[in-house]
Amino acid sequence: AAGVIQSPRHLIKEKRETATLKCYPIPRHDTVYWYQQGPGQDPQFLISFYEKMQSDKGSIPDRFSAQQFSDYHSELNMSSLELGDSALYFCASSSTSGLPEQFFGPGTRLTVL
Amino acid sequence: DQQVKQNSPSLSVQEGRISILNCDYTNSMFDYFLWYKKYPAEGPTFLISISSIKDKNEDGRFTVFLNKSAKHLSLHIVPSQPGDSAVYFCAASEFTGGGNKLTFGTGTQLKVEL
Repeated sequence: AAGVIQSPRHLIKEKRETATLKCYPIPRHDTVYWYQQGPGQDPQFLISFYEKMQSDKGSIPDRFSAQQFSDYHSELNMSSLELGDSALYFCASSSTSGLPEQFFGPGTRLTVL
Repeated sequence: DQQVKQNSPSLSVQEGRISILNCDYTNSMFDYFLWYKKYPAEGPTFLISISSIKDKNEDGRFTVFLNKSAKHLSLHIVPSQPGDSAVYFCAASEFTGGGNKLTFGTGTQLKVEL
């Protein structure tokens, strides 16, 4: 079965640079979520989109923005990167017509030097 | 403010025995609970879930129990297998109008020994 696809899998950036992470949800899933997992921490909810509209916002810095496109893929844009942004970034998708289970992608490991 | 807590950071169990992973929560608005398994450098893999209106859900070797009055849930794995060794996250879902954001616990590292 098709899973959530994230790209790139690994990304290395310098401080103050920008980064764009991409997420392709499971086909027919209409909701996309972004989570950040720091070293030794649990995943923290950043933001979600339902039918291309922002549906909820968590602990996402103002330097970050995200959107969901007409094909339901989503992009997380991160600017003015800081060392503390180094983390695993997970995308998950779900269908509002089904149960609330979210299915996660493999993650993007961002390293800020 | 950790709304979902897994007080045991690690658990070691012998192969074939039962693994019991515990989770406590504080937010009464959570209406759905999930367990995820995670290997290093991979995304969380969904295992099993339970609605707040139920007290038990079973799927093969995995059973989740929910005690709503105690705000406590547990995951039972029986029999435990070496391939079950991973970090297990408890997650709680709250419908927020446009989706169901998850709040994760801190995880329990399960090691199943031969």
